[in-house]
Formats: sequence, C-alpha cells, structure tokens
Amino acid sequence: ETGVTQSPTHLIKTRGQQVTLRCSSQSGHNTVSWYQQALGQGPQFIFQYYREEENGRGNFPPRFSGLQFPNYSSELNVNALELDDSALYLCASSPDSGSTNEQFFGPGTRLTVL
Amino acid sequence: GQNIDQPTEMTATEGAIVQINCTYQTSGFNGLFWYQQHAGEAPTFLSYNVLDGLEEKGRFSSFLSRSKGYSYLLLKELQMKDSASYLCAVRGFDSWGKLQFGAGTQVVVTP
Repeated sequence: ETGVTQSPTHLIKTRGQQVTLRCSSQSGHNTVSWYQQALGQGPQFIFQYYREEENGRGNFPPRFSGLQFPNYSSELNVNALELDDSALYLCASSPDSGSTNEQFFGPGTRLTVL
Repeated sequence: GQNIDQPTEMTATEGAIVQINCTYQTSGFNGLFWYQQHAGEAPTFLSYNVLDGLEEKGRFSSFLSRSKGYSYLLLKELQMKDSASYLCAVRGFDSWGKLQFGAGTQVVVTP
C-alpha cells in the first residue's frame, strides 16, 4: 500500500511568485487536508477536499487555493507569495469522511520565500 | 474557536516516564489526537480519544477529561528514539479533516 506522497520536497521562490504543491493520497483515501507548519509551531489547517469539493477552510486568504482530481490527488496553489509563507506544507489523507479517525500525513514540502 | 495549550519542552532520562499535558478550549469537541513528529518529518498518529478515560497502546497512553478540557499523553520506558515533538490536536464538528493543533511539546530523552 502506497502512503501519502508530496512533491516537490523543497522549493525556493521569491516574493510575488506563484507556487503549486502536489499531493497523492494514500490508496483508497478520498479526503485530503492541507496544513501549513511554520518553524516551531503546530500545523495550521488550510483546507480540506472531499470528492473533489472544498469541504472546510481555515483562516487563510483567498490566494491559497486548491484542487482535488478524480483520482483524489490534490494541489495547493499559493499566489502572490509573501515571506511569511515560508513553511512546511503538509498534506494528509483519510478514507471516506466518518469512517476513521486517523489522518495519514505526507512528508511535506519545505517552501522558502526570499 | 479553539485554543490549545501544551508545554514547550520536557526533558527526561532513558527508561523514565513522561507525562505531556494538553488543555483546550473549544466551541465544539469531536475528538482529541496525539501525534509524534521527529525533526524534518511528517507527524505520525499516536492516539485518539473522544470519550473520557484512558486509552493504552503499548508504551503510550492517552487520557481525556472532556469536562475539564484536559488530556495527557503518557510515555513509559522512554527510549532515545522517543526524542521528538508531540502534538496535541482537537477536532470540532465543522469539518471532519480539520484538526486544530497545539504548538507541540519537544521531549528530549537523555542517557
């Protein structure tokens, strides 16, 4: 069984640029959540996708957007990058909402904004 | 909203027991999670509590009191590999996948 994978592992961008991060959910999982984790902090919920629809959003501005594809993989897009967007971005997947309590996290993408 | 508090750092010796406390304030409670995160790695699931009481899983146990907004994670027979950050997270009713995390407790295990 393949776990949650994310790409790229590391990324360096400059202020004002746009970035797309990718996540492949664990086999059989149709729910994907994205989190931002700043250094020394806990992960902060960005949003969740369930069967290709956004299904919950945290306190992040609209320049953070996402997609989920028919195969349940997902993308996180961030426009107009700011220095404070530098963080570890984590993707977590889980099976059909309500059937389990555990989210499986991917290894994350380390984004640095200069 | 939700507010989650846990100590920043704890140090203990190999073979000892450490208890990490977590207090939370939430407008809706639908479960409390503990995750372990080694530096530079993804969080890994340790435990889940939704009813009051103690859940035991090997060397790790987790306790919940909903009326007090309180949980703890107990790590027994500490090993060097247990040095990591331990994250307390609460789920509300607004979104199944939305976990509100504390800042994490860095546990340092010394020989």
